[in-house]
This record gives sequence, structure tokens and C-alpha cells, in this order.
Amino acid sequence: GDSVTQMEGPVTLSEEACLTINCTYTATGYPSLFWYVQYPGEGLQLLLKATKADDKGSNKGFEATYRKETTSFHLEKGSVQVSDSAVYFCALSGVGAQKLVFGQGTRLTINP
Amino acid sequence: SQTIHQWPATLVQPVGSPLSLECTVEGTSNPNLYWYRQAAGRGLQLLFYSVGIGQISSEVPQNLSASRPQDRQFILSSKKLLLSDSGFYLCACPVRGSGGAAGGQYFGPGTRLTVT
Repeated sequence: GDSVTQMEGPVTLSEEACLTINCTYTATGYPSLFWYVQYPGEGLQLLLKATKADDKGSNKGFEATYRKETTSFHLEKGSVQVSDSAVYFCALSGVGAQKLVFGQGTRLTINP
Repeated sequence: SQTIHQWPATLVQPVGSPLSLECTVEGTSNPNLYWYRQAAGRGLQLLFYSVGIGQISSEVPQNLSASRPQDRQFILSSKKLLLSDSGFYLCACPVRGSGGAAGGQYFGPGTRLTVT
């Protein structure tokens, strides 16, 4: 079945550092891919998405590119801020699926 | 735009007691609705989803049940809570204008349940 694998956390960085959170997936066809963010004590918010190969999703300085050849959707940000501290989830939706498949989440902590 | 309400926000219940968590959705009609659980420090687990009134799909066998008595209402229940039922429960629906899950999902604020 479809699956998503994220890099193990937690990840701790200093403010203004570069961020990459790896995400790879297994799915048939061309799924839609998502990154969600969960701030402490809150529900999940959709951060960005890509629906076809080579699409780049972007939001709040974060970017991720749908790479079909490597089945990846890595999350990147050039300069992180303390306010980016949160748990980040990679997810996919298979073609015609009613459900999302989530990775296990990566906790990110940014120190001032 | 869509709004998901979840009630209550936090709950502390003893083992063996019943449970009822409510999710209501505004700003969309006939949505798919989803219940997820997030155990402490762990990822999301899909518990149930519903494509319409009275239609419930269970993803994992467990101590919980779900019902959809109205188009925009989704209820999560248990007759007798276990310690392992503790967690953060999230209700979700598809992003408005997208069918199924292809456009992503919109999540409610969650209910934090502690079973003691």
C-alpha cells in the first residue's frame, strides 16, 4: 500500500540556519503530496502541496519539489526562525483516494 | 471558508468511563469527514472516515466507534475508555472545492484526551 517515510527527528537548529526535512513516498501512479505543520497544542495546518511531477509548492518561505524520479518531496527553507518550531508532517493522497497517508512527523526546534 | 469546531478542547476521564467527542463543520456541504488520533510524541493514525450520513469506515479495530447523525456532524464515542485511548483527537474534512483527499485536508483544533 501507499506509504510515507520522513527523516527521523527531533531536529534542532539555530536561527537563520538552512533546513531540509527529507520525505520519500511509495505509491502507484501520481499521488498528490503535502506538507503539514503542527504548532504546539494546535491542530494541523496545510503548509504547501504539489499535485504533479516537478511541481514546486511554497509557502511562508518553505518549499518542496515533487520529484517523481526519486519519489521524494523534501521540505526546505533557507533561513529558519524561532517561530518555525513545530512538528512537520509529510503526506500523500493516492489517485482517487479518500484518505491521506501521513509520515510519522518530524519535530523541529529552532534556538535563538 | 471552512471552519471545523471540536468539543471539548480538553478532557480528563477515568478508565472505564464513556466518551463522546463532537466535530461540526461549517462552510461546506456533504463533506467527507475524518477522525485521527495522535498519541503523545507520535504520528497521526486515521481512525474513521465518513463519506455521508450514516456511512462510517473503520480503519483500525479498537475500543472506539464513530457516528454521523447529520451532514456536518461527526461523533467519536467509546463505551469504556482504556488508558491507551489517551491522545490528541483531530477531526478533518477535504479542503473546500476538492473531492476526496486530492486537494488536502483541513483540520480542526483538536481535543486532548487524558485517560487516568
